[in-house]
Amino acid sequence: GAVVSQHPSWVICKSGTSVKIECRSLDFQATTMFWYRQFPKQSLMLMATSNEGSKATYEQGVEKDKFLINHASLTLSTLTVTSAHPEDSSFYICSARRTGSGLAKNIQYFGAGTRLSVL
Amino acid sequence: AQSVTQPDIHITVSEGASLELRCNYSYGATPYLFWYVQSPGQGLQLLLKYFSGDTLVQGIKGFEAEFKRSQSSFNLRKPSVHWSDAAEYFCAVGVSNDMRFGAGTRLTVKP
Repeated sequence: GAVVSQHPSWVICKSGTSVKIECRSLDFQATTMFWYRQFPKQSLMLMATSNEGSKATYEQGVEKDKFLINHASLTLSTLTVTSAHPEDSSFYICSARRTGSGLAKNIQYFGAGTRLSVL
Repeated sequence: AQSVTQPDIHITVSEGASLELRCNYSYGATPYLFWYVQSPGQGLQLLLKYFSGDTLVQGIKGFEAEFKRSQSSFNLRKPSVHWSDAAEYFCAVGVSNDMRFGAGTRLTVKP
């Protein structure tokens, strides 16, 4: 159990276009999902915390108008990179936490990541 | 301030040899502790976790980790490394929405 699906796995787009990345928890409900960005050979940088039915919480320095997050259901969060530019090229990874009480809700389960290349 | 340190950026071991990856943390209280593994171009897979109780925890793929409160450490070990273990390993600490990741240790396995 605890499978997180992320789609697409790789996307190439032209500068100025918008790209949407989906993150789905397939076999559990996730009130909270997270979006990370990872640069080559570096660790994960938390961009924002996505909460079902409410606004996302963005980390300092992350442009909320640039990186739009929607968490419309307990199994789906989306990240839209608006007006993408080459500097937005990166590896984006989502994770999800189980809804509910207990220690298990402290575990983050990760998607396989999306490689975004902006030309 | 909360932080996670993985002192070794890159480790090379021979196949069949033992492995220890180091992780030290600084946190306000005893956090929950995790080790994740990432293969190239992939997301992170949970290897093991520590919440409380027995300080030696067993994980998947033959990995184990030991929590040492006095040293603020949570080192990952494997008695005999396989070529398929070559990957990036991340230590993570935190509670609820506050999770911090180490910089990662890249493991290379020599034949």
